[in-house]
Amino acid sequence: DQQVKQNSPSLSVQEGRISILNCDYTNSMFDYFLWYKKYPAEGPTFLISISSIKDKNEDGRFTVFLNKSAKHLSLHIVPSQPGDSAVYFCAASGSSGGSNYKLTFGKGTLLTVNP
Amino acid sequence: DADVTQTPRNRITKTGKRIMLECSQTKGHDRMYWYRQDPGLGLRLIYYSFDVKDINKGEISDGYSVSRQAQAKFSLSLESAIPNQTALYFCATSPTDRGPYNEQFFGPGTRLTVL
Repeated sequence: DQQVKQNSPSLSVQEGRISILNCDYTNSMFDYFLWYKKYPAEGPTFLISISSIKDKNEDGRFTVFLNKSAKHLSLHIVPSQPGDSAVYFCAASGSSGGSNYKLTFGKGTLLTVNP
Repeated sequence: DADVTQTPRNRITKTGKRIMLECSQTKGHDRMYWYRQDPGLGLRLIYYSFDVKDINKGEISDGYSVSRQAQAKFSLSLESAIPNQTALYFCATSPTDRGPYNEQFFGPGTRLTVL
């Protein structure tokens, strides 16, 4: 039972355009969401996060949107750059029932930004 | 820089062998985790530890054991390796005092191949 779903295994965009990566979740107890970026031969690195009390969080070229009613979040990258080419993981955490120690990850989306 | 390191980075072993993967961190974090990544499956939690005396199973702990030798060290063992344990293994850490905002910091990974 996959609680965090990234339904697009891959995405290809042109440099300078917007990249939109999507993530859906099923567990209503999740209240903190994170995006990680992973290059080949490296560990995942934290990119941006959002708490469930917000619907948007922005950091430079990266913006995460959260739609709690739809249990959906998205990561927007504007403008996309070739160096953004990586696998992006969506992750979720819940603060109830002592489960705030665990992150549940999606399967990842491979983003390719073409020059 | 405070960091998470993993040794070895690559390991090839044979079915039935015992193998240990090691993780060290200089971040001063109390919480440590072991994940495995398989193609198309994202990151799955094997074991986690809140402090030296605390060890907990994750979602896929069968066939694995761990040891928390010190706050900074967390080792993962495969008592009798089998081919379906071939994967990328990541260690991660997180601080205790951030409540539900469970941002985790990952090591560079160990690529394990079991023949």
